[in-house]
Amino acid sequence: AQSVAQPEDQVNVAEGNPLTVKCTYSVSGNPYLFWYVQYPNRGLQFLLKYITGDNLVKGSYGFEAEFNKSQTSFHLKKPSALVSDSALYFCAVRDTGGGADGLTFGKGTHLIIQP
Amino acid sequence: DSGVTQTPKHLITATGQRVTLRCSPRSGDLSVYWYQQSLDQGLQFLIQYYNGEERAKGNILERFSAQQFPDLHSELNLSSLELGDSALYFCASSVGDRRSTEAFFGQGTRLTVV
Repeated sequence: AQSVAQPEDQVNVAEGNPLTVKCTYSVSGNPYLFWYVQYPNRGLQFLLKYITGDNLVKGSYGFEAEFNKSQTSFHLKKPSALVSDSALYFCAVRDTGGGADGLTFGKGTHLIIQP
Repeated sequence: DSGVTQTPKHLITATGQRVTLRCSPRSGDLSVYWYQQSLDQGLQFLIQYYNGEERAKGNILERFSAQQFPDLHSELNLSSLELGDSALYFCASSVGDRRSTEAFFGQGTRLTVV
């Protein structure tokens, strides 16, 4: 079975500071990993994904994520936070080898950027 | 705007009733996924269709069913509704059915069962 853990319900960061939203995963094989963002009363927007290759993945709106196989982590990062980054962030995983074909999502992390 | 259209945006209905949620995928996308988002269960995968055929099933109840039509739009049918079915239902679409492909989500249908 595949699973995702987002250990923090909420992350507070001052505008202009770097931010990190944590994600760890569990799959039986190798993972495909995704980050999505959800604004209030909106659907999920795709930010970035890790398939293979370079462990540092760059995505939309200045976000990036670092894949760490030994720690089974895929943390989302941004060098300088904006107030407009405040939203709900979801990490998701899909096993490359089979199993559930839908994405398995974490519970989500509320990111609050304070002016 | 993701290009995925869901209707209606809001739906209020009584217990025991049946409703149909509709999804139009992005132009050219052959895969459609349905997800349920609730406060207690989070985001859960329900079912996937690819080019009209059921491809994968997740945590979908027997009271729920879906289909994808020749024009690729999809409908999710929820019957014998219970209070616990109140949730946000998302449709997502992707170009193909490869596991590495990201899906693009609609804005969801908020279902309230009273």
